[in-house]
Amino acid sequence: DQQVKQNSPSLSVQEGRISILNCDYTNSMFDYFLWYKKYPAEGPTFLISISSIKDKNEDGRFTVFLNKSAKHLSLHIVPSQPGDSAVYFCAASDSTSGTYKYIFGTGTRLKVLA
Amino acid sequence: DSGVTQTPKHLITATGQRVTLRCSPRSGDLSVYWYQQSLDQGLQFLIQYYNGEERAKGNILERFSAQQFPDLHSELNLSSLELGDSALYFCASSPSVGSGYTFGSGTRLTVV
Repeated sequence: DQQVKQNSPSLSVQEGRISILNCDYTNSMFDYFLWYKKYPAEGPTFLISISSIKDKNEDGRFTVFLNKSAKHLSLHIVPSQPGDSAVYFCAASDSTSGTYKYIFGTGTRLKVLA
Repeated sequence: DSGVTQTPKHLITATGQRVTLRCSPRSGDLSVYWYQQSLDQGLQFLIQYYNGEERAKGNILERFSAQQFPDLHSELNLSSLELGDSALYFCASSPSVGSGYTFGSGTRLTVV
């Protein structure tokens, strides 16, 4: 049972435009969410997080939106740059579990076209 | 350099063999997590250790085991290897409380 789903395996966007990556989850106990970026031959690197007490978190060109009622989060990248081309994973955790175990989605491959 | 060190980077071995993957967490991080990424799959959680003790278990096969040593480094042991075990194995670490993991660069295991 995939508790965290990224239904778009890939996305292509023109440089300078907005990239929107989506993520859905099924476990209502999840209350902390992360986005990671992964380049080939490297480990995932942390991008941005959001807690369930918020519905938006911004960090420079990256904004994450959380819709708890829909169990949906999205990552917006504005403006998109060629260096943003990578695989993006969303991850969710139930902080009350005490383990900080994150469940990851299958990833979305973003290609930003110059 | 993320501060999480995984060795070896690449490993090629035959079916039925046993291998050990090693992870040194970031300085000060007490938790170590192991994840498996197979082709076109997301990161599958295998197991977590906190300060030497197993804290959480995911979809880890009985052929796989792990431990965390007093110096906090961790080893993932994979035995009776099958072709389907070929994957990227990532280790990540976090402090006792944290906003996310720091991942190592992974070990690519190829079983032939």
